[in-house]
This record gives sequence, C-alpha cells and structure tokens, in this order.
Amino acid sequence: EAGVAQSPRYKIIEKRQSVAFWCNPISGHATLYWYQQILGQGPKLLIQFQNNGVVDDSQLPKDRFSAERLKGVDSTLKIQPAKLEDSAVYLCASSPTGFEQFFGPGTRLTVL
Amino acid sequence: AQSVSQHNHHVILSEAASLELGCNYSYGGTVNLFWYVQYPGQHLQLLLKYFSGDPLVKGIKGFEAEFIKSKFSFNLRKPSVQWSDTAEYFCAVNARFSGGYNKLIFGAGTRLAVHP
Repeated sequence: EAGVAQSPRYKIIEKRQSVAFWCNPISGHATLYWYQQILGQGPKLLIQFQNNGVVDDSQLPKDRFSAERLKGVDSTLKIQPAKLEDSAVYLCASSPTGFEQFFGPGTRLTVL
Repeated sequence: AQSVSQHNHHVILSEAASLELGCNYSYGGTVNLFWYVQYPGQHLQLLLKYFSGDPLVKGIKGFEAEFIKSKFSFNLRKPSVQWSDTAEYFCAVNARFSGGYNKLIFGAGTRLAVHP
C-alpha cells in the first residue's frame, strides 16, 4: 500500500515570499490533516479535512495560511506571505477512520 | 485545554539498558492513546496504540505501554534497548471534540540516543 506522499521535501524561501505544499493521502482515506512541527516541539494541527470539507481550522493563521482539498483527495497548503517563524516541517497525514493517522515524510521549510 | 506532557526531552542510554518514557495527558473524556516514533531521516510512524480493553498494550520492536487511567498516564517501556532504537518518540492523545470529530494532540517529544 502506498503511503502519504508530499512534495517538495525541502523548500527555502525569503520572508514575504509565497510557498505551496502538496499532499496526496493514502487512497480511500477520507480524513486529511496538515500539521506544523517546529524544531523541538511536537506536531501541531493546522487544519483537518473530512473529504473536501473543513472540520477544524482553529489553529490555522488564516491571514497568511490557506488550504484546500479539491475532490476530496489531494490537498495543498499555502503560505502567503511567509514569515521567519513559519520555518518548520509541514506534515500531512491521512486516516480512514479519524482515529489512527498515517503520516507523510513532511516538507522542511526554511524562511530566510 | 487538552494537553500532553512528556517528562524527558532527552534520554541517553547504553545498549541493553531498560527504557521508560513518561507521558501524561489532561483530558477528562474518552481518549485513544498513541506512541509514535520518528527514526532519523524518516517519517512519523505508529509504535503502539490504546483504544480500550487491556491497559497494557504491546507494540512493534518489543515496546509496550501501560494506560493508567487514574494517573492520566501512558508510559512507554522497553526492557532492553538497542542502538537502532535511537529516535524521537512522541506521545499523542486522540480527544473527541464537540462537533463530533477527533483531534490528535502531541507531546513535545523525547529524543532517545542509545550508545553501543
């Protein structure tokens, strides 16, 4: 079974630039999550989708972050404009049931 | 607010030593509990989980964890660690929120280094 795919794996940008991350969940998984993991901390949920509807985006900084999940499959997370404090690993996860989650390799973002 | 606390940020052990990593959570409702592991250069993967039943759960690679409801704890143990256990370990609680959805809340992680 193929796992959760993410791209790119690494991204370096300057502050105020824009960046987008892509996630392809495990086939058939209805729930998709985006997490932010800052160095030295555990992953923090940014947004959760159930199919293509948003379930929880309470911790998403909506002035600069946006996410969508078209057709209930792939998802993109965008940051516009980026700040230095956005430097982190962005993890995508998916789940068939909303309980056990399967994680992708993450995208390491460095904002200079 | 719901939270997960991992007591040790860094642990250094010699091979064959016993391991116990502490995890406490704050949430009054029904919880599902997880330990995830992240080996160097790899993605997060599930080590073990507790949903219900026997509070002593066994996971992969000889790891086990015990759910003690009265202490809100879910400590991870392994009787004899190996160099290949060097990794970062995350405790997580899946809490149910109003609106009928579940949310996974992670601890800050414990970085384990095992020396040969």
